[in-house]
Formats: sequence, C-alpha cells, structure tokens
Amino acid sequence: DTGVSQDPRHKITKRGQNVTFRCDPISEHNRLYWYRQTLGQGPEFLTYFQNEAQLEKSRLLSDRFSAERPKGSFSTLEIQRTEQGDSAMYLCASSPGQLSYEQYFGPGTRLTVT
Amino acid sequence: AQTVTQSQPEMSVQEAETVTLSCTYDTSESDYYLFWYKQPPSRQMILVIRQEAYKQQNATENRFSVNFQKAAKSFSLKISDSQLGDAAMYFCAYSIGGFEKLTFGTGTRLTIIP
Repeated sequence: DTGVSQDPRHKITKRGQNVTFRCDPISEHNRLYWYRQTLGQGPEFLTYFQNEAQLEKSRLLSDRFSAERPKGSFSTLEIQRTEQGDSAMYLCASSPGQLSYEQYFGPGTRLTVT
Repeated sequence: AQTVTQSQPEMSVQEAETVTLSCTYDTSESDYYLFWYKQPPSRQMILVIRQEAYKQQNATENRFSVNFQKAAKSFSLKISDSQLGDAAMYFCAYSIGGFEKLTFGTGTRLTIIP
C-alpha cells in the first residue's frame, strides 16, 4: 500500500492554457475525492466518485473543470482556459467506503497560473 | 448549508503541555460525523480523530481527545503532552453520513515551543 499519489506535484502554466492532473488512489478504494486548497484556507470540495460514477460536483466546479475516473481506478482533473484564480493546491483523497470513514489524502498538485 | 468555524488562526503551546483547539459547526442534519485532520508542513493531511454524532462518548486516540457538545454544536480537540511532531495546521471537518464530502474549517496553525 503506497498511499495516494498525485502527478505532477507542481505545475506552472500560462493563463489560457489547459492543464490535467492525475490521482492514483489506494488500491481497492472505491471512493475518490478532489478538493482545492488556497493559501490560508481549508480544502474546498470539488467533486467525488464512487467507482467510475461521479456522484457530486460542487458549484465551485465551473464548466472549465472536468473530472473523470475511467474504470474506477485513477482519476484525472482537467482545467481548461486556466485563469489566475485557479492557482491553488489540488488535493485528491480516497476512501475504502465501507468500514472506514477516513479519507486518505495525497500530497497535492500545486498549480500556479501566470 | 453546513459550515465549520475555527476561530483560532494560530495557537502555541509549550512542549509537554496541553492545548485545546476550538471548532464550531452549523448543521440541520441529525446524522453526521466530525473529524480533526492534521496537515504538517509540506506533508499530506492525515486523520487525527473522528466523532460520530450519535455517540455521546467523546472519542479518544492516545494523546488526542475531543470534547463534543452536540447541543452547542461544538467540537474541540485536546492535545495532551504536546510533542514537537504535533506542529501542524489542524483542520476541523464535517461530513454527512461519514462517506460524503468533507466540509473543512479554515484551520488552526499549532506551534510547539521547545
């Protein structure tokens, strides 16, 4: 069990470019969550999956954001036409669902939009 | 909407002493879960302790314990015998049903004074 991994760890992009982040959950965790954390704030929920089904999306997730979890394994979060306000740490977490309420967090991807 | 409030942006405590971090929340739900997560500098967020709202007994995990006051919607974290490794951001979080998204407070930065 290697924990939740995220790639890349850091991303610098220019405004208007598209970026994609990847999250690999702990094996056999059927729930996967995305959060966004800005400096000095707690993480804010973006979306979550149970297996391959996207169960909820936050109103924070504008139509420039899309997330997928094909085959219920890894997940990707894409941001199109990035804006400076998108600069944040993007956190992924996974949970086994049954028997445990704990969410296991990855190290995050820090996005800087210039 | 559910909200979580942490009114102490920063706290400090002498090593080996006891410190209490405050958290209040607002919800109209009857079935919910409360958590304290720890985010060490440049490291992943990890679960410290959780409390099910239906349980009257306060949760305890080694040196960490909570004071859960359901009527007052208060959920404080007590750290006994503080250690240097306890230095971190501490986030109070709320979830409906345990498996759902987490709603976080803004965090309390805890400094341990040697």
